[in-house]
Order: sequence, then structure tokens, then C-alpha cells
Amino acid sequence: DIQMTQSPSSLSASVGDRVTITCQASQDISNYLNWYQQKPGKAPKLLIYDASNLETGVPSRFSGSGSGTDFTFTISSLQPEDIATYYCQQYDNLPRTFGQGTKVEIK
Amino acid sequence: EVQLVESGGGLVQPGRSLRLSCTASGFTFGDYAMSWVRQAPGKGLEWVGFIRSKAYGGTTEYAASVKGRFTISRDDSKSIAYLQMNSLKTEDTAVYYCTRDSRRWLQPSPFDYWGQGTLVTVSS
Repeated sequence: DIQMTQSPSSLSASVGDRVTITCQASQDISNYLNWYQQKPGKAPKLLIYDASNLETGVPSRFSGSGSGTDFTFTISSLQPEDIATYYCQQYDNLPRTFGQGTKVEIK
Repeated sequence: EVQLVESGGGLVQPGRSLRLSCTASGFTFGDYAMSWVRQAPGKGLEWVGFIRSKAYGGTTEYAASVKGRFTISRDDSKSIAYLQMNSLKTEDTAVYYCTRDSRRWLQPSPFDYWGQGTLVTVSS
């Protein structure tokens, strides 16, 4: 199975800050990497697909980059409504695997 | 509007069975692969398995943790996907989400729509 390692596991930042989360795959997954946002008590929501493509309707402050084994997710200017846990997920190989999540809080 | 609504969750004893349903609307259900993802209380997301569309053989794939105990099926005439869970264990306790694979021509693909989830509690 492909292991997805996210870091950090949690972070605290101020409104307006730039926030970066990294995700490392245990083997090359090309660009088959997605990012999801999960707010408390809610289902996850797709934000970024294929490493860098913004899902329709998602604010442009969210972005993703990377390929191969190393990926980055960025919130350019953190907003109060961005408080959530963020997960990376690969779909290059089965089983589809998720990172352990990064909890983002407001400082 | 695409909607996925799960049902069938509840409290069940270890070793017993439960069947979850995912009723879809707002899209041509038969064209898409459908997946199940679960989340244990306070934990992260775990892919459970998926079923391809009939155009891709309608075949299924499962996580090792549920293979041989869980079965995914679909009824395209009713736009429903099912998750039959047998020989349940306490570690199967989780919220179970139904999801849609986003691309008809690529299965698997990213999950673009999720249901609200249904809680399954396995306890004596």
C-alpha cells in the first residue's frame, strides 16, 4: 500500500496568514493526488484534484502543487471559515489511501 | 443537484451483519463508480471499497481490512449503492460515507460528492 505522510498534524495561524501543508507519498504517484477539507461534523469536500487543479466553486486562495512523491497545499490568506482538517489522498494505486490529516486552527 | 443520502446505520453486536444504502439523485447513477469511505470516531478517513460502473465491468475492490467481510453492490435502476457488512467487529465502528468518483471515463478517480454519512456502532 502507498503510505501518505502529511505534516504538520496541526497548526495554528492568524487570519490573513499563508498556510502550507505538505504530503509525501511512499512511492511515485505522478499527479494522482487530491486534497479534501473536512469541517467538524461534516462530510469532506474536494478542493484540489490531480495535485494542482482547483475544483469548481472553490476559492482561489486554495492551491496545490507537486508531483511524484512530494506535494504541497497552500491557503494564501487564511480565513475564519477555513478552520477544518485537511487530508491528502492518492488514487494512483489501490487501495486509495489518505494522509492522517492536518487540523488548522485560528491563533 | 447531485445528492447522496446514506441510510441503514445503527447499533449492532459484534459478529452480526448490517446493510447500508446510498440513494443517489441528480445525475445518471449508472455512469459512475461509487465508493464507501469510513471515519472512526476522532480518527482520519479510510477508504473501504468501490464498485465500478457497468461500462467498466461493475467490478469491486476492497480495503484489506474489510475484504471477505464487506460487499458492495449497486442497483442502477433504483440509483442505489449498497454496503453489506458481515462479521462486524468493534473496530468497524465509524461514520460511513458514500462518495461518487468524479469521472465516468476514469475509475477510480477523485471523490467529488459525498453523502452526509451514517454512523455504525459495533458493540455488545
